[in-house]
Formats: sequence, C-alpha cells, structure tokens
Amino acid sequence: IVMTQSPDSLAVSLGERATINCKSSQSVLYSSNSKNYLAWYQQKAGQPPKLLIYWASTRESGVPDRFSGSGSGTDFTLTISSLQAEDVAVYYCQHYYSTPVTFGQGTKVEVK
Amino acid sequence: EVQLVESGGGLVQPGGSLRLSCEVSGVTVSSNYMTWVRQAPGKGLEWVSVIYSDGYTYNVDSVKGRFTLSRDNSKNTLYLQMKSLRVEDTAVYYCARYIAVANSALGYMDVWGKGTTVTVSS
Repeated sequence: IVMTQSPDSLAVSLGERATINCKSSQSVLYSSNSKNYLAWYQQKAGQPPKLLIYWASTRESGVPDRFSGSGSGTDFTLTISSLQAEDVAVYYCQHYYSTPVTFGQGTKVEVK
Repeated sequence: EVQLVESGGGLVQPGGSLRLSCEVSGVTVSSNYMTWVRQAPGKGLEWVSVIYSDGYTYNVDSVKGRFTLSRDNSKNTLYLQMKSLRVEDTAVYYCARYIAVANSALGYMDVWGKGTTVTVSS
C-alpha cells in the first residue's frame, strides 16, 4: 500500500489551522471491526518520531487536543486546529492494514 | 516510563556487517512486540523488522536474508544483526515498541528511541 501525503510542505500563521492530507492506494478500513488502520506521527528536527494518532482518530495519551485525525477508507486528514510554534515538524501518516506497514513521504509544517 | 536506547551504529564498508543494540527499560522486551524503523538521510521512514512477543520475526523484503532481529531477555535488549550491507542501508535506525493488532505483524509504534546512525560507504 502506497501512502501519499499532501502537501509536501505548508506554512501556517501561528494560531491558524493546519491541514495535512494522506491518501492510501487501497482502503485501510477493516470491515470486520470498522476500524481504519492508520496512524500519524510528528517528527521534530533531530528527534525521533512521536506517535500522535492511531486508529485514524484516537489521540495518544498526552497529545494536545489541538491535534485531531479524521477520514476513512483511503482519505485521511490530520488537523492542527491552532498552530503553535512547537508544532513545527514533519508529519507522517502510516498504515498498518497489511505488511509491510508503510509511511507517507512526510509533510513539513512551518510558521508563516 | 518506557525508554529505548540504541547503540552500535558506525561506518562500515559495503558488504560488511554490524550489530545494533536497543536497551529497553520500563517494560519487559519479551512481553512486547519490538521493531526497527530506519530513516535515510533527509528521507522518510521505512519499517524494517519486527519481533513478536513469542520470538517470531518478520523482515521487509529489502532486508530479508541480510538482517536478523533477536533479543536477550536476560539483558532486556533487542538486537539487529546486519550483514551484506549496502550503500542504501545508510540511515538512522530507530528501535521502537510496536503495538501489534491481534498478535500480527500489523501495528504502530508508540515509543521510540533516539536512534543510531549507520553509514555504509567505501
């Protein structure tokens, strides 16, 4: 499964909304449990990735509620409702519907 | 608190071997699924290998036959033995805890180490 993110980069003013899209080449919705097998990560410069979201919309413990995930099937979105300076990072989506699990190419979020 | 500390990276010639280690604290490595993910310089993330709690391992095609994932339960440490290294294996290698779905190779990573750098070059 190929994961394609858009845009590759975006610049958003502090306090504004940032929206990152992720599209999978086939559905990652498992019909038997109605769950989307998709996660989102944040990677700041020089740091390892950090899990933000799993099951497409479940926020990891400790992740601020300005981060939200949505979507189903093949189209997903990560939204940062009010961008903070500390949110500057590269964001990756990852499916875990089948092996190998694969990541999107990443979206770089900067402050305008 | 779960902590993962990788070591063992370095410079190696093409065709050479290297063993990476991941010391785990805060959880028992034998009770968890653990994985390695790599990131080539300036590139994205690539899943490499996973070890199940029962010891079964899965490798992606690009490293099959060359990389072996194992663990030492007494040391609570994970190992990635890499042989026949290629220039394209150059990357930061991250150890991570893998949250597996239904005891399968499917899952996501909830805790990551800081990584260790492997450079394959002549």
